[in-house]
Amino acid sequence: QKEVEQNSGPLSVPEGAIASLNCTYSDRGSQSFFWYRQYSGKSPELIMFIYSNGDKEDGRFTAQLNKASQYVSLLIRDSQPSDSATYLCAGGGPSGGGADGLTFGKGTHLIIQP
Amino acid sequence: KAGVTQTPRYLIKTRGQQVTLSCSPISGHRSVSWYQQTPGQGLQFLFEYFSETQRNKGNFPGRFSGRQFSNSRSEMNVSTLELGDSALYLCASTGTSSDTQYFGPGTRLTVL
Repeated sequence: QKEVEQNSGPLSVPEGAIASLNCTYSDRGSQSFFWYRQYSGKSPELIMFIYSNGDKEDGRFTAQLNKASQYVSLLIRDSQPSDSATYLCAGGGPSGGGADGLTFGKGTHLIIQP
Repeated sequence: KAGVTQTPRYLIKTRGQQVTLSCSPISGHRSVSWYQQTPGQGLQFLFEYFSETQRNKGNFPGRFSGRQFSNSRSEMNVSTLELGDSALYLCASTGTSSDTQYFGPGTRLTVL
């Protein structure tokens, strides 16, 4: 059974610091990985996606993928109070194209302290 | 470009009833996926449709079903509702050339 594991937190980070969120996955067939942000009472919002080993940067966000270790991470630089949310890590399937559905972790609750 | 829309946003039903939820994907997207989100189980994949065909299904009982229309709009149906079906039901659409899924606002279903 495919699994994505995340530390549920809460992870408390001071404003302006770097927040580091991690997840591990069990399915070596997963080709793509996603980070979503979800505010309380709202639907998930896509933050980053990554397909290849290494780092991918987008503004204050950096996603890191290590397929050998089956490990995905998200770094948030210069954390802001508005970054306080639950961050969901998800793995895609081997087929791609959305057909396989995403396997989600249960999310890490991030709190940015002003 | 308009995002994914879902209707209704909130529903209250009683046990034993059935419910139909609707989802309109982003214009040009032909793949629609459905997920159930509960505090205990998190986000779980229900099924995915592409060009009116179900391509994949998660581990849910047959009470959960869906369909997709020629305009890519999708509906999901839950029959014989149980208390445990209370959840946020999310629809996501995917473009043809990627597997990046964009979520709608969700339908909050409460079963009494």
